[in-house]
Amino acid sequence: GNSVTQMEGPVTLSEEAFLTINCTYTATGYPSLFWYVQYPGEGLQLLLKATKADDKGSNKGFEATYRKETTSFHLEKGSVQVSDSAVYFCALRHTGNQFYFGTGTSLTVIP
Amino acid sequence: DVKVTQSSRYLVKRTGEKVFLECVQDMDHENMFWYRQDPGLGLRLIYFSYDVKMKEKGDIPEGYSVSREKKERFSLILESASTNQTSMYLCASSHTGTGDTDTQYFGPGTRLTVL
Repeated sequence: GNSVTQMEGPVTLSEEAFLTINCTYTATGYPSLFWYVQYPGEGLQLLLKATKADDKGSNKGFEATYRKETTSFHLEKGSVQVSDSAVYFCALRHTGNQFYFGTGTSLTVIP
Repeated sequence: DVKVTQSSRYLVKRTGEKVFLECVQDMDHENMFWYRQDPGLGLRLIYFSYDVKMKEKGDIPEGYSVSREKKERFSLILESASTNQTSMYLCASSHTGTGDTDTQYFGPGTRLTVL
């Protein structure tokens, strides 16, 4: 079946540090892949997405590349800010309209 | 921008009460979803709907029902609330299709406490 596995948190980084949050997926064929972000007290917001192999999604300095060979979609940012503190969810959508979400990774950035 | 609104941000109810959570989207999306979010468990799908009056069970439908009488509105109903239904409830909507239209858009969430 379809599933997403992402690295467990919480992750704590100093401001300007490099961020990687790992995400791997299980699905047949070519799902669309997403990263969502949830700021404290809010719903989820789309951060970036990629719809086919080798595509790179990017937004607000975050990037993730769709790697079919390793079934991965790792989230990266070169220099995190305090305002990036949030919970990050990796997700996939395959055939049909249902999404499959990872369990979320909490990031705290300290000044 | 897509807007998904939920009727309440915070709700406190008593055990055994019937609870209605309302969700409205303004982008003519065919699909609507209800999730609950709990620490360490991520998002779990309760029910979804791909058309008016249509509904499909998700992963954890027990204790819940849904109603979709109009395309823009999707209601989650707790027939008899229990303390283990204390959670954050998130509504989402999306178009049917692939490519640029396959993103789910979320409401702000309703934090429900059942006493």
